Amino acid sequence: RKEVEQDPGPFNVPEGATVAFNCTYSNSASQSFFWYRQDCRKEPKLLMSVYSSGNEDGRFTAQLNRASQYISLLIRDSKLSDSATYLCLEGSARQLTFGSGTQLTVLP
Amino acid sequence: NAGVTQTPKFQVLKTGQSMTLQCAQDMNHNSMYWYRQDPGMGLRLIYYSASEGTTDKGEVPNGYNVSRLNKREFSLRLESAAPSQTSVYFCASSDVTIRTGDPEAFFGQGTRLTVV
Repeated sequence: RKEVEQDPGPFNVPEGATVAFNCTYSNSASQSFFWYRQDCRKEPKLLMSVYSSGNEDGRFTAQLNRASQYISLLIRDSKLSDSATYLCLEGSARQLTFGSGTQLTVLP
Repeated sequence: NAGVTQTPKFQVLKTGQSMTLQCAQDMNHNSMYWYRQDPGMGLRLIYYSASEGTTDKGEVPNGYNVSRLNKREFSLRLESAAPSQTSVYFCASSDVTIRTGDPEAFFGQGTRLTVV
């Protein structure tokens, strides 16, 4: 079983919609989680960190549920420019483990 | 602000040829990584180096070797390229941030390798 699992999608949503992705992890001792965004044929870039208390940045909200061992990313009022692949990351000082990514397409 | 620099950006190899992908970071990070990314497979870890002088296998190490030449540089070598190694390769580096205690990772721009 992969240590970090994501629904690959694709998610096709209309502009203005709210969309949510989940990512489950298997290591209950994991401490640090992140969401990365990857545009087509480009390198992944940090979108936001995920804290136990939740983390909100504009239209984006990230949450961590330790009891059920998953993290989530909520995007409100989707824009065309949000179309990308979203990768969750479980990180430690020694190793980074990515999910396989969820593809989002926002349609006009 | 170079960050993580990978070379080359594109490469075509014939089956059986060898090559080395170079990666350098200027952020004084301890940890460096090599990933490959194939359609629908996400980022899969090939090898990583938690510190200068150490390397460890990741999820898909077969057919690859690595060298952590110094703190800045981490190279990936294909000794005898195979068509199954056609992929996009990303180098990354990370370290624990002083401010938050969380690891912070940065990626190179990728190497698109085709083995024919």
